[in-house]
Amino acid sequence: SAVISQKPSRDICQRGTSLTIQCQVDSQVTMMFWYRQQPGQSLTLIATANQGSEATYESGFVIDKFPISRPNLTFSTLTVSNMSPEDSSIYLCSVSTATEAFFGQGTRLTVV
Amino acid sequence: DQQVKQNSPSLSVQEGRISILNCDYTNSMFDYFLWYKKYPAEGPTFLISISSIKDKNEDGRFTVFLNKSAKHLSLHIVPSQPGDSAVYFCAASDRGSNYKLTFGKGTLLTVNP
Repeated sequence: SAVISQKPSRDICQRGTSLTIQCQVDSQVTMMFWYRQQPGQSLTLIATANQGSEATYESGFVIDKFPISRPNLTFSTLTVSNMSPEDSSIYLCSVSTATEAFFGQGTRLTVV
Repeated sequence: DQQVKQNSPSLSVQEGRISILNCDYTNSMFDYFLWYKKYPAEGPTFLISISSIKDKNEDGRFTVFLNKSAKHLSLHIVPSQPGDSAVYFCAASDRGSNYKLTFGKGTLLTVNP
C-alpha cells in the first residue's frame, strides 16, 4: 500500500491567481496521477506525472493551465493557473499498482 | 462519451439488508475493475477489485460480480451497515493505458438504521 499526503486540504482563491497543490508519497513510485472532481461529476484524469520527463496531459487539459512538477520519485505538484470559478473542484493525486490505486485526501478549491 | 456509467445517483437501504450498486462500461479494452468508497472531505479509499478473467471476487461483506458479455459489474454489500453510507465509485483500467483509471460518477449509498 501507499500513504499519500496532500496539501492544502482546502483553499479559497481569488480569480486570476494560481494555487500549487503538493503530494508526498511514502514510497518511490514511477507514475503519479492528478485527478479533478467537479461538483456532481466523476473523477477525471488531468495528467500523468513521470519522474524525469514531461507530464502527459489528457484531452482538454493543457500544461499552461495545469503545470506539473515531478522532481523525484516521492513528490509531485500540480498548479492551477489563472484560476476562474470554473476551476472550483476537488483535486486529487494518486498512485497506481496493477491492482489498485491510492489517493491523497484531496484539495477542495473554491475560486471566488 | 462516458466509458464507465453508474446510472443510479443514489441508493437507500435498511441496515442489515443487501446493497447492490451497479456499473456499466463501454470500453472492451478494460481488464481491471475497482470499487472505491468516498466519505466527504476525504480521498477515495479502495474497496475491492476484479480482473476481467474472473466473474466474482469476495472480501468479507463485499462481493463484486463481473458480467463481461453485458459489460456490467455490481458491488454487493451484505449486511449493510450505517457506516457504509458514502459515495461509491466504480473505476476501470487497462494495461495499455498504464493503469490510468476511468471513473463513473458515483452512487450515494445511504444505509438507514
